[in-house]
Amino acid sequence: AQSVTQLGSHVSVSEGALVLLRCNYSSSVPPYLFWYVQYPNQGLQLLLKYTSAATLVKGINGFEAEFKKSETSFHLTKPSAHMSDAAEYFCAVSEGSAAGNKLTFGGGTRVLVKP
Amino acid sequence: DTAVSQTPKYLVTQMGNDKSIKCEQNLGHDTMYWYKQDSKKFLKIMFSYNNKELIINETVPNRFSPKSPDKAHLNLHINSLELGDSAVYFCASTPGTGNSPLHFGNGTRLTVT
Repeated sequence: AQSVTQLGSHVSVSEGALVLLRCNYSSSVPPYLFWYVQYPNQGLQLLLKYTSAATLVKGINGFEAEFKKSETSFHLTKPSAHMSDAAEYFCAVSEGSAAGNKLTFGGGTRVLVKP
Repeated sequence: DTAVSQTPKYLVTQMGNDKSIKCEQNLGHDTMYWYKQDSKKFLKIMFSYNNKELIINETVPNRFSPKSPDKAHLNLHINSLELGDSAVYFCASTPGTGNSPLHFGNGTRLTVT
C-alpha cells in the first residue's frame, strides 16, 4: 500500500526566503509523485510531477522538487518566497494502473509568507 | 472555459435530506474521481470511474452513490445526510494513465446542520 507523510502541517517563511516542504512516501512499486497547491476556496492545481525521467523536477511558479529513492523523499523547494505562495501544499503518490491513477495524498502543509 | 466544473459550489442542508452534486469535464478524459476533503484538509479518494464504469470504490457508506451517465459526467448522490458528511467534495479527471496528473474542480462545500 502506498502512503505519504508531509512533515510539518504549517511552515512560516519570510518573503524572499527559501521555502522547503518535506514529503516522504512509501510505495511497493516505483512511484509517480506529485505536488499540488491549493489556494483558499479553490481546487488543487498541479505544481509538478515526477515520472522517472529526471530526479530533479521543475514546476510552475519557480518551484522544484528532487526525487531521492534512497531516502524515499520528494521535497519541494523554492529559492525565494513570494507573498502569492501562501497556500496549502499537498504531496501525492500514485502507483498507477492501466485503469486509472489513484492518488494518495499527504496531510498537507500550510505555507504562511511574512512580509 | 472551465475544464472540470462542479455544481453547486455551496450546499447547506439538514440532516436526513438527500442531495446531489454534479460534475462535468470538457477535457476528453476517460477517468473521473470523487475526493472528500475534511475540515483538517485531509483528502481521501471515494470513487473512480473509467469510461462510465466504476473502478475504485473505497470504504464509503452506501448512502453515497456515484453515477456516470457518460464519460464526461460524474455525479454524486448522498442519501440521509449526516453531520459527518460535512466536507468539501472535489471532482477530478485524468486521461487514465498512471503518470497523468489529476485535474480538479473547485469543490463543493457541503454543510449539514
